Amino acid sequence: GQQLNQSPQSMFIQEGEDVSMNCTSSSIFNTWLWYKQEPGEGPVLLIALYKAGELTSNGRLTAQFGITRKDSFLNISASIPSDVGIYFCAGPSYNTDKLIFGTGTRLQVFP
Amino acid sequence: AAGVIQSPRHLIKEKRETATLKCYPIPRHDTVYWYQQGPGQDPQFLISFYEKMQSDKGSIPDRFSAQQFSDYHSELNMSSLELGDSALYFCASSLGGYNEQFFGPGTRLTVL
Repeated sequence: GQQLNQSPQSMFIQEGEDVSMNCTSSSIFNTWLWYKQEPGEGPVLLIALYKAGELTSNGRLTAQFGITRKDSFLNISASIPSDVGIYFCAGPSYNTDKLIFGTGTRLQVFP
Repeated sequence: AAGVIQSPRHLIKEKRETATLKCYPIPRHDTVYWYQQGPGQDPQFLISFYEKMQSDKGSIPDRFSAQQFSDYHSELNMSSLELGDSALYFCASSLGGYNEQFFGPGTRLTVL
């Protein structure tokens, strides 16, 4: 079945640093969604991407939809302690609207 | 802005008991999804409803059932609970299918 692999699995960075994480798949996705989840809470939608090559920003966050439609990346600039959490990429499974989630990237930011 | 509401937020049950989880979607959203997230795992799709009809089904056990009501709220009914059912259960909603899904805060179910 369709799978989404995220890397890195975890990141430990200092406040103020930039962060880059990516999501890859062996199959094509027509939509890429990036979510952030904090412990015990629901995933919060950060950015939605709908077209190959699309580059979209949301404050300090920037995400791109890969040209091959098999990957996407998320960048966070000038990280702050409240960026801590698990970042998931997600996309709708083929011909359905159920989301398949990536394996997640756990981000830890030290002051 | 109004978000997805889930109740209860926490639920503790014994094995073989039943549980009912409720979800109230964002106003005007017509599609509801249920996901299960085990510890350290990503959310796994269970079932979805569009305009009160089941639209898709994932790896949902036969012991679970769900429905969407006329006011678009949804309920997930879980019977004969097992220890392995302990997890976070999320509801998400969207306006139509194939669109951005917005998640609720989740219900943490603990089965003892």
